[in-house]
Amino acid sequence: AQKVTQAQTEISVVEKEDVTLDCVYETRDTTYYLFWYKQPPSGELVFLIRRNSFDEQNEISGRYSWNFQKSTSSFNFTITASQVVDSAVYFCALRPNMEYGNKLVFGAGTILRVKS
Amino acid sequence: DAGVTQSPTHLIKTRGQHVTLRCSPISGHKSVSWYQQVLGQGPQFIFQYYEKEERGRGNFPDRFSARQFPNYSSELNVNALLLGDSALYLCASSLVGRGHTEAFFGQGTRLTVV
Repeated sequence: AQKVTQAQTEISVVEKEDVTLDCVYETRDTTYYLFWYKQPPSGELVFLIRRNSFDEQNEISGRYSWNFQKSTSSFNFTITASQVVDSAVYFCALRPNMEYGNKLVFGAGTILRVKS
Repeated sequence: DAGVTQSPTHLIKTRGQHVTLRCSPISGHKSVSWYQQVLGQGPQFIFQYYEKEERGRGNFPDRFSARQFPNYSSELNVNALLLGDSALYLCASSLVGRGHTEAFFGQGTRLTVV
């Protein structure tokens, strides 16, 4: 069974603070993919980052960085120097190893509020 | 290039009615997936189509059906609507193949059943 858990329901920070969103996943697949999506009030899910299960190198992309630890099944996402425009719901998602297309298993989401 | 487009953006239906939601994928994307997002929850997978064939189905009743057309656009149909079907319905398209894993989402159709 595939499962994604985002234990933080809501986080509030003040602008310019760093914020880390937690994600824990469960899967029996040896190859899988992990994602973070952002959902602003408009509703559209915006793709942010992807990580393959066979590559545990952590990276930084602009103000975004992520920490993938296979040993603890965690895929945490950090926004550095948060801005008001970062306010949104953030979803962690798991994609099993499939030959065709995409079936994503989403967590319940974390509401991020960045105050000026 | 146009992103994933969905129509209509909002819809109000009465219990027992039927609804059809439409999705046009990004040009070149042959895989389309549908998700239901109830308020306050994460999206739940409903269907995935690739090359006009159903490739995956989530835990939804038979009232939900879908199809993909030769131009790779897709329709999601829901019969005998229930109040609990009120949700944001999201369509996603993607390329298929090794390394092509990102799904790109449309803005969704917000369905209200009264």
